[in-house]
Amino acid sequence: DSGVTQTPKHLITATGQRVTLRCSPRSGDLSVYWYQQSLDQGLQFLIQYYNGEERAKGNILERFSAQQFPDLHSELNLSSLELGDSALYFCASSGRGLAGVYEQFFGPGTRLTVL
Amino acid sequence: TQLLEQSPQFLSIQEGENLTVYCNSSSVFSSLQWYRQEPGEGPVLLVTVVTGGEVKKLKRLTFQFGDARKDSSLHITAAQPGDTGLYLCAGGSAGNMLTFGGGTRLMVKP
Repeated sequence: DSGVTQTPKHLITATGQRVTLRCSPRSGDLSVYWYQQSLDQGLQFLIQYYNGEERAKGNILERFSAQQFPDLHSELNLSSLELGDSALYFCASSGRGLAGVYEQFFGPGTRLTVL
Repeated sequence: TQLLEQSPQFLSIQEGENLTVYCNSSSVFSSLQWYRQEPGEGPVLLVTVVTGGEVKKLKRLTFQFGDARKDSSLHITAAQPGDTGLYLCAGGSAGNMLTFGGGTRLMVKP
């Protein structure tokens, strides 16, 4: 158990809809990262938040947005969903580790199916 | 843009065999992580290597970081069916960002 929690575990919805995925980082971790993993694909970095502020953006679509709240949990909002958005969405968190050591700890993921 | 290439992409072996997975880049990384991911689950951190030339052992798994910190390898001795999964390498850089390789899908047959 990494200490990172994600809800829901599974989500089935229709095209055009909007969903919200939730992530709680490990206790004490200030950074949260969101990744998308499509079938048989690698991990695609979407966005990073650090202590409530957006820190870095990856290949995140304009239809997607995220935020990190004062209690450090984060939400990823996906809107105008398309079939191609079906994927596993992972949240990861990291803390202040040793200098030069960059580790991220992953949650169990949310499997999104768009029908 | 930093890229990490993993090879092979797929590996199917018999129980008891040895194998090596490679992770290569033209970029220097501050640290290198190896993760294992099982279907439908999140990647689990196996090891972090930081120093060029560093070797770490985790039971039957041996991880090595290249001298120039651009490449890494994972060697499994006497593979078991429980080793089956997707192995991902990830290079760490400033800002606590990770660059992931494409992964090596390993299947160990009993």
